[in-house]
Amino acid sequence: AQTVTQSQPEMSVQEAETVTLSCTYDTSENNYYLFWYKQPPSRQMILVIRQEAYKQQNATENRFSVNFQKAAKSFSLKISDSQLGDTAMYFCAFMGTQGGSEKLVFGKGTKLTVNP
Amino acid sequence: GAVVSQHPSRVICKSGTSVKIECRSLDFQATTMFWYRQFPKQSLMLMATSNEGSKATYEQGVEKDKFLINHASLTLSTLTVTSAHPEDSSFYICSSGRQYSNQPQHFGDGTRLSIL
Repeated sequence: AQTVTQSQPEMSVQEAETVTLSCTYDTSENNYYLFWYKQPPSRQMILVIRQEAYKQQNATENRFSVNFQKAAKSFSLKISDSQLGDTAMYFCAFMGTQGGSEKLVFGKGTKLTVNP
Repeated sequence: GAVVSQHPSRVICKSGTSVKIECRSLDFQATTMFWYRQFPKQSLMLMATSNEGSKATYEQGVEKDKFLINHASLTLSTLTVTSAHPEDSSFYICSSGRQYSNQPQHFGDGTRLSIL
């Protein structure tokens, strides 16, 4: 069974600074997808960024980028120029491709606080 | 991107009441819908996967008779919490997907259920 581990329960960063959230996972599959979701206090789940395992190039979305290390099974999220609106819970998630069920396996989350 | 509408957003009811939560995929045909439960300050826990026109697949430890899931059409899935008790109070959130698709899941805004 796949597992996703986020080792940082809480993080804080000053506005405009850069922060990196860690995520590691375990799987025996070779092809899969990885996601970072953001959950602000409103509790809406917002997709931040996705990475296909077969792509070596790290995904980027504006201020958000990932460092995907497939051999190490590591998938960290870097937030540049942090903004107050980035304050939220961040969940790393894994989706396999076997069986066609597209189930997401979530990590326990990292609570990020951006300080003014 | 895909839009998922979840209703109601908030329910407060007496113990013993059955509560129905609806999840609608507004702009694409969702062959698969997922139902999650989230306790305060915790991650999302997958309860069940529903496929249109077939019985839902429940995760281990989730009572099928307690949490009834219906996915009668490609745009609507419902979760009914039967004879709800205070321990069923939680945040329930649905997401939609398409089987054998590599597209990320899109989440509803969630339902906060409080059983008195």
